[in-house]
Amino acid sequence: DAGVTQSPTHLIKTRGQQVTLRCSPKSGHDTVSWYQQALGQGPQFIFQYYEEEERQRGNFPDRFSGHQFPNYSSELNVNALLLGDSALYLCASSFLASGGSSSTDTQYFGPGTRLTVL
Amino acid sequence: AQSVTQLDSHVSVSEGTPVLLRCNYSSSYSPSLFWYVQHPNKGLQLLLKYTSAATLVKGINGFEAEFKKSETSFHLTKPSAHMSDAAEYFCVVRPYTGTASKLTFGTGTRLQVTL
Repeated sequence: DAGVTQSPTHLIKTRGQQVTLRCSPKSGHDTVSWYQQALGQGPQFIFQYYEEEERQRGNFPDRFSGHQFPNYSSELNVNALLLGDSALYLCASSFLASGGSSSTDTQYFGPGTRLTVL
Repeated sequence: AQSVTQLDSHVSVSEGTPVLLRCNYSSSYSPSLFWYVQHPNKGLQLLLKYTSAATLVKGINGFEAEFKKSETSFHLTKPSAHMSDAAEYFCVVRPYTGTASKLTFGTGTRLQVTL
């Protein structure tokens, strides 16, 4: 059973560019959450997608956007990259019970994409 | 609002001795609490979770944690450390009810295991 997969593993961009990161959830999961982990810090929640819609968002600017596809995979897009966007970007997948209740979902994380902005 | 505070940024133990990683939480509602481990250049792995069932939670690799509401704590323990336990450990909180399932992470505790 494949776990959560992310691509690419590493990425180098320059300031002002745009980047797209990809995530495939664990088999049977329907929800994808994205987190940013700066060096030496804990992950920070960016947003979560369920039923192809953004259902919750953390304290990140509109430069960060996402999408979820019918097969539950997801993309994270970051526009106008800043040096401070350099981080490990983690994707987590989970299964929400019918009706979207979060009381039983457990999030499983992928290995992450290391983004370096020069 | 919810948050977790990991009381030690770095813990060093000898192999074979007990491990204690401390975590206090703050939550307006009954929380779900988790411990995740992150080995170098790896993703996050779930160690254990508390979701309002038994207050003593057993996880993988011999780790366990006890939920103490009166102390708002959820400390992680292991009776005997192994070299392979060296990693970064994160205490995590999430609201137990409702549709919001955002995870809030602590700042992490780096566990060093020496011979």
